[in-house]
Amino acid sequence: ILNVEQSPQSLHVQEGDSTNFTCSFPSSNFYALHWYRWETAKSPEALFVMTLNGDEKKKGRISATLNTKEGYSYLYIKGSQPEDSATYLCAPPRGGTSYGKLTFGQGTILTVHP
Amino acid sequence: SQTIHQWPATLVQPVGSPLSLECTVEGTSNPNLYWYRQAAGRGLQLLFYSVGIGQISSEVPQNLSASRPQDRQFILSSKKLLLSDSGFYLCAWTRGEAFFGQGTRLTVV
Repeated sequence: ILNVEQSPQSLHVQEGDSTNFTCSFPSSNFYALHWYRWETAKSPEALFVMTLNGDEKKKGRISATLNTKEGYSYLYIKGSQPEDSATYLCAPPRGGTSYGKLTFGQGTILTVHP
Repeated sequence: SQTIHQWPATLVQPVGSPLSLECTVEGTSNPNLYWYRQAAGRGLQLLFYSVGIGQISSEVPQNLSASRPQDRQFILSSKKLLLSDSGFYLCAWTRGEAFFGQGTRLTVV
């Protein structure tokens, strides 16, 4: 059983604040780590696919880091805007005998208040 | 370009009735295919995934089943729906990252 944990479960910030949240996953048999953004009434969309320990990726005001040895990834949002409000999901795909399995964490629900 | 179609968008079904949700992918071959469900107040739960025709892995014991009769077709079924089957169902395929359908809102009454 793959235990993917995201924290915090929910987060309320003011417009302009910077914020970050965490995805924890088993470090053994690491294959990749995906971050998704899921807005209400829409389908999840991929933000980042991270594969190497020490990876750091950036898309606009959003960035992510990866530590495969200790099994965690951080997602950062700089200068949050109301349109950043969404659920942020992480998923570590599985390889080996569990090839193809893509299990998501419970997500972090971010609400940015104007 | 690749596209994923999922239908219907919404469905209201009585308890005990059958279910069939269909998902098709265009523009790619031999995709990994997935069915997820978001129950009220919960995250995105993996129900089934398939790495090839006729290959189905079930993640959660339940009264649902999945089939992959063709390379780019993934079907979620139930013979008799329960109230607890209500939720938002998403189909997805992966090539590196995952691409999701628009989802089906199922309400069992």
